[in-house]
Amino acid sequence: EVQLVQSGAEVKKPGESLRISCRGSGYNFNNNWINWVRQMPGKGLEWMGRIDPTDSHTNYIPSFQGHVIISVDTSISTAYLQWNSLQASDTATYYCVANPGKQVWGQGTTVTVSS
Amino acid sequence: QSVLTQSPSASGTPGQKVSISCSGSGSNIGINKVDWYQQLPGTAPKLVMHSNDQRPSGVPDRFSGSKSGTSASLAISGLQSEDEADYYCAAWDASLNGLLFGGGTKLTVL
Repeated sequence: EVQLVQSGAEVKKPGESLRISCRGSGYNFNNNWINWVRQMPGKGLEWMGRIDPTDSHTNYIPSFQGHVIISVDTSISTAYLQWNSLQASDTATYYCVANPGKQVWGQGTTVTVSS
Repeated sequence: QSVLTQSPSASGTPGQKVSISCSGSGSNIGINKVDWYQQLPGTAPKLVMHSNDQRPSGVPDRFSGSKSGTSASLAISGLQSEDEADYYCAAWDASLNGLLFGGGTKLTVL
């Protein structure tokens, strides 16, 4: 079965760092870009950026550039979304998405940032 | 603020046909294909239409999509209670070099 499994919910304080993960299985992880999508509480979907596992090439939209880092470890078929300094406005559910023939979404990771 | 514009809400009664529209511009819908997502409460979004009018396997043929110029629409015929969800359009934007989502339309089945 093709699936993306994300890491569990996180509760953090402003200024803390965080890395969440997304592990792919059931398909050739290296051949498909991994996208990250944000959904703030009660709001719509926002595409943040993506990574090509083949060469770790990334592209971000301006509103996320410099605030998050997308990376990948192909040896364990896992992509990451990382913050070095969280803000309260990072409180959201984050989804990873891939398209290995049939589009697949992770189950989402809820990140809560509160003092 | 989304550059792809959707009406915030739509509604219909069981069996009716409803259409959800998505308006963009020449840098996104005008030159790229449109996808549509369905999001049921508390769940991850699900692709229900890709490349303007292509249904992924498993999506009922009650769902249809179209595109004209810088606008696109998703139609659902024979409306059912399980269709009640949020629907989002999406298209790649050449200026942004990224994927844009519409603001979403909340579909209510009365």
